[in-house]
Amino acid sequence: NAGVTQTPKFQVLKTGQSMTLQCAQDMNHEYMSWYRQDPGMGLRLIHYSVGAGITDQGEVPNGYNVSRSTTEDFPLRLLSAAPSQTSVYFCASIGRGNTEAFFGQGTRLTVV
Amino acid sequence: AQTVTQSQPEMSVQEAETVTLSCTYDTSESNYYLFWYKQPPSRQMILVIRQEAYKQQNATENRFSVNFQKAAKSFSLKISDSQLGDTAMYFCAFMKPVSFQGGSEKLVFGKGTKLTVNP
Repeated sequence: NAGVTQTPKFQVLKTGQSMTLQCAQDMNHEYMSWYRQDPGMGLRLIHYSVGAGITDQGEVPNGYNVSRSTTEDFPLRLLSAAPSQTSVYFCASIGRGNTEAFFGQGTRLTVV
Repeated sequence: AQTVTQSQPEMSVQEAETVTLSCTYDTSESNYYLFWYKQPPSRQMILVIRQEAYKQQNATENRFSVNFQKAAKSFSLKISDSQLGDTAMYFCAFMKPVSFQGGSEKLVFGKGTKLTVNP
């Protein structure tokens, strides 16, 4: 049981480049989400999904895109990277009726 | 909207001593959950303890316990017999889960408290 698998762990992008952060869970969790963690800011919700085909915006959605074609996968896309998107990104999932969130290992993204 | 406030950006404690991390929150909800998450230098997010708001009894998990004051909207974490492995960032978080009417699984986090345990 791998839990939540998040890739890559580290990434450096140039301003204007695009990339996709991958997130997969094998626990059949319906709820999945993406957070970004910045120093002194805690974790802030970017986008979330309550099931396949359903996504919604969180607190800081600008510059990010998501889709949920399967229960297992919830990729986060940066369409045109900006230095303000330098951060640590976490994917998390929660099972229906549960409250414990399972987190991926995080991705440290640097945009230069 | 719910907010979570951690007023102590950094704290330190000597090994084997007790330390308390503070957390306050603001909500108009009556049923919800509160959490403390630990983030060691490895960056992994680990659930430390969970409290259901409708339960008056404070949650405990081994050396970790909470002081939950619902009326005051306060949720502090006490770590007893501190160990070097407790050195980490600690986040307080709020959730009104979907099992409660109008809820969702969205977590609202505080800004965190960096705890250092000194030998």
